[in-house]
Amino acid sequence: ETGVTQTPRHLVMGMTNKKSLKCEQHLGHNAMYWYKQSAKKPLELMFVYNFKEQTENNSVPSRFSPECPNSSHLFLHLHTLQPEDSALYLCASSQEIGGQYNEQFFGPGTRLTVL
Amino acid sequence: GQNIDQPTEMTATEGAIVQINCTYQTSGFNGLFWYQQHAGEAPTFLSYNVLDGLEEKGRFSSFLSRSKGYSYLLLKELQMKDSASYLCAVQDSNYQLIWGAGTKLIIKP
Repeated sequence: ETGVTQTPRHLVMGMTNKKSLKCEQHLGHNAMYWYKQSAKKPLELMFVYNFKEQTENNSVPSRFSPECPNSSHLFLHLHTLQPEDSALYLCASSQEIGGQYNEQFFGPGTRLTVL
Repeated sequence: GQNIDQPTEMTATEGAIVQINCTYQTSGFNGLFWYQQHAGEAPTFLSYNVLDGLEEKGRFSSFLSRSKGYSYLLLKELQMKDSASYLCAVQDSNYQLIWGAGTKLIIKP
């Protein structure tokens, strides 16, 4: 148990659906991250929040919309996705941004399939 | 651009030793991480190097040469449970992690 939970673990949605992914960390961390993991590709950083403020948005399409209501919760709202968005979406947390040793703790991920 | 290279797949025998290499070119350097990821599970932290040299932690060791942009993860006394993907990641000047694509390690009896 890594202290980071994600729901749902699996999600199948059509291109016209709207859904949300949820992440919760129980580690008292101040930074949270969304990553996309596709087969045989590096982890792609999507969004970063530090003390609830978004600090990074790596040119992610607007059909992905993050929300961070507090330091423990992170959401990824999805709408009008494309089949190429099918991937494993990982949430992670760390103590904060800027520290040299910034180990990230990962949740188990949500396996998303877009039909 | 920023780039992390590691082999796609490696095979080793139970009880043996394997070395997984990682080379990097990044904008700044604030440490290098190794993570282990079993199929269908979350990546979990293995090691962190920020200074040159070898860090040993049980059966796993990690080496760093900043001048060469090179690291390796050394796994000794391999066990079947070590079958997993091993991810190399470098923390850049903005303290963001740049990830390699991972090395899938297959352990055979």
